[in-house]
Amino acid sequence: DIVMTQSPDSLAVSLGERATINCKSSQSVLYSSNNKNYLAWYQQKPGQPPKLLIYWASTRESGVPDRFSGSGSGTDFTLTISSLQAEDVAVYYCQQYFINAYTFGQGTKLEIK
Amino acid sequence: QLQLQESGPGLVKPSETLSLTCTVSGGSISSSSYYWGWIRRPPGKGLEWIGSIYYSGSTHYNPSLKSRVTISADTSKNLFSLNLSSVTAADAAVYYCARGFWSPALFDYWGQGTLVTVSS
Repeated sequence: DIVMTQSPDSLAVSLGERATINCKSSQSVLYSSNNKNYLAWYQQKPGQPPKLLIYWASTRESGVPDRFSGSGSGTDFTLTISSLQAEDVAVYYCQQYFINAYTFGQGTKLEIK
Repeated sequence: QLQLQESGPGLVKPSETLSLTCTVSGGSISSSSYYWGWIRRPPGKGLEWIGSIYYSGSTHYNPSLKSRVTISADTSKNLFSLNLSSVTAADAAVYYCARGFWSPALFDYWGQGTLVTVSS
């Protein structure tokens, strides 16, 4: 299985400041035939299902605020929230959808400082 | 607006089979190019993909669960189902159903989730 490792496990950021979450895969999730990274980011708030934020490593899902952005390629990826809002408090997961078993990272808990 | 709703017993005995159903409204599970999947989140742990069924009926399973999992679809009722046999305490989790696109495990619409406890 591809192992997805996120860092940090938890993060506290002041309102209006930048939040950065990292995700590293144990093998590349870049498919050379289409030059796409099979990497997604989800946001999960308490009592709610996960919400898709980003796919193909950097494509924002419809309706997701543009303060959320994704970057990276191959094995190293980053989710950035440019200006943290109170409603962004959640657990964030990266996921590779390249190879079965389509694994998730362990999650990063984002809080307000 | 597409909606998914999980249903099934909230309590299953060890060694028995966990059976859940996901009813889809606002869209058809027969729609071309979509997958319909199951994901779970054990208490205090992260997300785990269980498996998915394609609109054509082909299935994809997590190798770690493959020997115990069956996912099926009933297009006449617009629902799909999960059966997980020989459950243990490790199978206790919130179970989600979701719609996949581009891949068996890239999910854009999710159900609210249902908590399943394993206990005698």
